[in-house]
Amino acid sequence: NAGVTQTPKFRVLKTGQSMTLLCAQDMNHEYMYWYRQDPGMGLRLIHYSVGEGTTAKGEVPDGYNVSRLKKQNFLLGLESAAPSQTSVYFCASSYSVRAWDGYTFGSGTRLTVV
Amino acid sequence: AQKITQTQPGMFVQEKEAVTLDCTYDTSDPSYGLFWYKQPSSGEMIFLIYQGSYDQQNATEGRYSLNFQKARKSANLVISASQLGDSAMYFCAMRGALSQGAQKLVFGQGTRLTINP
Repeated sequence: NAGVTQTPKFRVLKTGQSMTLLCAQDMNHEYMYWYRQDPGMGLRLIHYSVGEGTTAKGEVPDGYNVSRLKKQNFLLGLESAAPSQTSVYFCASSYSVRAWDGYTFGSGTRLTVV
Repeated sequence: AQKITQTQPGMFVQEKEAVTLDCTYDTSDPSYGLFWYKQPSSGEMIFLIYQGSYDQQNATEGRYSLNFQKARKSANLVISASQLGDSAMYFCAMRGALSQGAQKLVFGQGTRLTINP
């Protein structure tokens, strides 16, 4: 049982390049989330999804797009990377609110934009 | 809106001593939940302990306990008999509601704990 898997684990981008981060969960969770963590700070919510085919904005959505075409996958896209998007990105998933007992986090993707 | 404040950027303790990591919170919701996560140098987020606002007793999980003082809006993490492997970043977080039943976590800035041999 892999839980939440993020790929890639590390990436270096040049300013203006695009990329997609993949999050996959095998727990049949309805809810999925993308967070970013900047140095010396806690995690901040970028986007989230309440089910297949749905997405919504979190606290810091600018510069990112997301898609959830399949229930188990949640993709985070950077169309034109900027140095301000250098961060560690975490994906998480959870059950519905009735059975909510926290998140299962992925191991993170360290992204550097130069 | 929820807010978490961790006022200790770093703490240093001797191995085997107990340590308390401070966390205060602010929310207008009558029902809420508080979490502590550990982030070692490898970077993953490890769930430690959870306290619900209506829980009658303080949460405990092995060497971890949560000192929940509702009137003071504090949820301090206590680690008993600290070990070298406890050296890590520790985050306090609060559950917040999103649309359609989703739940976000609002994090504090974290406390870096170093255990000295």
